[in-house]
Amino acid sequence: ETGVTQSPTHLIKTRGQQVTLRCSSQSGHNTVSWYQQALGQGPQFIFQYYREEENGRGNFPPRFSGLQFPNYSSELNVNALELDDSALYLCASSPDRDEQYFGPGTRLTVT
Amino acid sequence: QKEVEQDPGPLSVPEGAIVSLNCTYSNSAFQYFMWYRQYSRKGPELLMYTYSSGNKEDGRFTAQVDKSSKYISLFIRDSQPSDSATYLCAMVPSGGGADGLTFGKGTHLIIQP
Repeated sequence: ETGVTQSPTHLIKTRGQQVTLRCSSQSGHNTVSWYQQALGQGPQFIFQYYREEENGRGNFPPRFSGLQFPNYSSELNVNALELDDSALYLCASSPDRDEQYFGPGTRLTVT
Repeated sequence: QKEVEQDPGPLSVPEGAIVSLNCTYSNSAFQYFMWYRQYSRKGPELLMYTYSSGNKEDGRFTAQVDKSSKYISLFIRDSQPSDSATYLCAMVPSGGGADGLTFGKGTHLIIQP
């Protein structure tokens, strides 16, 4: 067990809706990253937060946004959902910025 | 050409065999290398983490990095059916952080009892 938890486990949304996914990092881990993993693919980096500030972003549009809170929890928000957003969303926490420990993921289905 | 290339398999071997999993990469900025194991519908589990060329051993697992050839490997000795999973290589530039991890597609490994 990595000590990283995510909720919900899975959910179904309709195209155009908005969704919020949640993550609880290990205590003391100041960095949290979010990834999108499509079926049969490796995870793709969405963005990273360090001490509540976004400090890195992958090739994802602005409708993907996030927050990190002082209590080691974080959120991923996706607006205007598209069918291609269907994927496993993973958060990873890190004591530094390289060695990352993943949660179990949230499986999102957009219909 | 993708930054990280990894044969998706599936790779099927008998129990007890030595397994060799490999990734090549094109970005010479990558300096830190990781191997993750992912069971179906689960999050990736960190197996090995290394930042220098050469070998690093942990139990039945050995990670090998050759920065001059841009080639990394994971060896699994005395393979067990419980090792059946998808193995992902990941890497990050020196200083890491803001760029996030870059992953290969993963190799699906099947250990036959």
